[in-house]
Amino acid sequence: SQQGEEDPQALSIQEGENATMNCSYKTSINNLQWYRQNSGRGLVHLILIRSNEREKHSGRLRVTLDTSKKSSSLLITASRAADTASYFCATVIGGRSKLTFGKGITLSVRP
Amino acid sequence: NAGVMQNPRHLVRRRGQEARLRCSPVKGHSHVYWYRQLPEEGLKFMVYLQKENIIDESGMPKERFSAEFPKEGPSILRIQQVVRGDSAAYFCASSPSPTSQGRNTEAFFGQGTRLTVV
Repeated sequence: SQQGEEDPQALSIQEGENATMNCSYKTSINNLQWYRQNSGRGLVHLILIRSNEREKHSGRLRVTLDTSKKSSSLLITASRAADTASYFCATVIGGRSKLTFGKGITLSVRP
Repeated sequence: NAGVMQNPRHLVRRRGQEARLRCSPVKGHSHVYWYRQLPEEGLKFMVYLQKENIIDESGMPKERFSAEFPKEGPSILRIQQVVRGDSAAYFCASSPSPTSQGRNTEAFFGQGTRLTVV
């Protein structure tokens, strides 16, 4: 079963709007990371949040983590057409070094 | 300052042939991870290697798949006697330290090798 489950599966918004994507996970984590994947390309790391952190910002990105609810959200403000991509959350559990990915969210930003 | 380099980008093999996928990590990174992505799916962990050692191969199929990361040269993911179900995108990632520890836990991904078995 998936450790990370993103929600919604697909999101379509107008350029300039904010996009909020959610991720839930099942077991306690060491850290949670968000990645972007453009069609047919590799993954690009966006942001990492550790289990003892609640919120992080990076440019137009804002990530929150609620360990009591085992959930995280990624907010992209003032979206651009170039933000169109698939977004994945990935968790690192305990001392294991592997990333466990969800199935991803497809974000479409209409110009 | 090249990132993770994977080659080939596209690989077509007939059923029963061998596929060899190469990954050169970011210079100075000694931790390499291989993931497989099926269409419309997220990435599934396969194996984690640190120079000459396999640290975690819990995601590797028991047969036909092997991986190595020699002291010199790229990491290799080898799939013997490929079957149609092996068709997928295979991604390599590297990090300067294990992704579970320390400050530098970001993994850098390559562009992937898309394997098609015909």
